[in-house]
Amino acid sequence: QVTLKESGPALVKPTQTLTLTCTFSGFSLSTSGMRVNWIRQPPGKALEWLARIDWDDYKFYSTSLKTRLTISKDTSKNQVVLTMTNMDPADTATYYCARMDTGSSGLFEYWGQGTLVTVSS
Amino acid sequence: QLVLTQSPSASASLGASVKLTCTLSSGHSSYAIAWHQQLPEKGPRYLMKLNSDGSHNKGDGIPDRFSGSSSGAERYLTISSLQSEDEADYYCQTWGTGIVVFGGGTKLTVL
Repeated sequence: QVTLKESGPALVKPTQTLTLTCTFSGFSLSTSGMRVNWIRQPPGKALEWLARIDWDDYKFYSTSLKTRLTISKDTSKNQVVLTMTNMDPADTATYYCARMDTGSSGLFEYWGQGTLVTVSS
Repeated sequence: QLVLTQSPSASASLGASVKLTCTLSSGHSSYAIAWHQQLPEKGPRYLMKLNSDGSHNKGDGIPDRFSGSSSGAERYLTISSLQSEDEADYYCQTWGTGIVVFGGGTKLTVL
């Protein structure tokens, strides 16, 4: 059974750096074909893809946010970490991690429950 | 540019059928998409992968009431025998090399 769970601070101040952790089970990110992503959703708005990390450590970022994002993995801990610098109130959102399917498509087959991050002074 | 367009809202009566539409941008009509359901205050749930030829593969446990079809650049999600628990936001999603795109979502109201 594949599960993913996001964790991190519920409140951050403007200009601070956000660090979120996705802890997963039911698969290993050292297995060929595995890919984990971060997606966010501002309150009342649509989903927005942020970043992806693959089993072979390839990384991809949203064009609009790539200068602020870093994604990494700790295979031994079954975790993927996302850092976002220079946080702004516009970054207030629920942040999700999701695993892509094991084939060649880019669909999100498994989602975490999400963690709400509020940016406010 | 790869873009997905969805109508912001749709409504249908309990027990009826509804067809939601997701439109791919020009030049991308061959792309497959995925449909996701987001119940109120919940995280998204994968429903199905929908190919350009209309073939689709549903996620585990997705009822037969949910089906997909395609026509040109349009991808459809049909929900038949609507139930109150189908009231949710529905998002389409597609992908390219190193990118992922979501539609703006359709809020479905079951009357």
